[in-house]
Amino acid sequence: QQQVKQSPQSLIVQKGGISIINCAYENTAFDYFPWYQQFPGKGPALLIAIRPDVSEKKEGRFTISFNKSAKQFSLHIMDSQPGDSATYFCAASMGSGYSTLTFGKGTMLLVSP
Amino acid sequence: KAGVTQTPRYLIKTRGQQVTLSCSPISGHRSVSWYQQTPGQGLQFLFEYFSETQRNKGNFPGRFSGRQFSNSRSEMNVSTLELGDSALYLCASSLVGDLYEQYFGPGTRLTVT
Repeated sequence: QQQVKQSPQSLIVQKGGISIINCAYENTAFDYFPWYQQFPGKGPALLIAIRPDVSEKKEGRFTISFNKSAKQFSLHIMDSQPGDSATYFCAASMGSGYSTLTFGKGTMLLVSP
Repeated sequence: KAGVTQTPRYLIKTRGQQVTLSCSPISGHRSVSWYQQTPGQGLQFLFEYFSETQRNKGNFPGRFSGRQFSNSRSEMNVSTLELGDSALYLCASSLVGDLYEQYFGPGTRLTVT
């Protein structure tokens, strides 16, 4: 069964701290790993994504670390801000050319002022 | 460029009724996917359409169906509504050449009473 396991379920970080969210997958056919950010009442917004041929990708304060052998990837939010408080979803997709994302269950992040 | 739009935003239906939700993708995007989001199950893939053809389908009963029109707009239909169908229904679109990057609309919140 295709699965993406995400942890923790919720996270509280102080302003300026580092938020770390982890995901693990089972299907080695997955070849695209995006992270989505969702605010209440909104749809998920694509934040950053990585493919297995690189071990790290950074965009601003957001970094994805990817460990192909361990089948794990993580999102690091540096200098976390109250405006980052949202639910974050990791996801994975296979290289079939079809747009099917398998999502983790989500992490509710609260950045305290 | 306008984002993905979904109508209606909110809907209340009674058990046994049917409902049709609409999605207009980003201009130029030809692939449209639908997802169901619930607190318990998270984000689950329903189906994906490209060039008016359903290319992939998730593990949902036949009561869930969809279609895509020649202008890439898509509709999904749920017949014989059940209480468990209460959810946020999200539509996502992507470019033909970059099917992995999906952009989500705000969703339609369906409540079945």
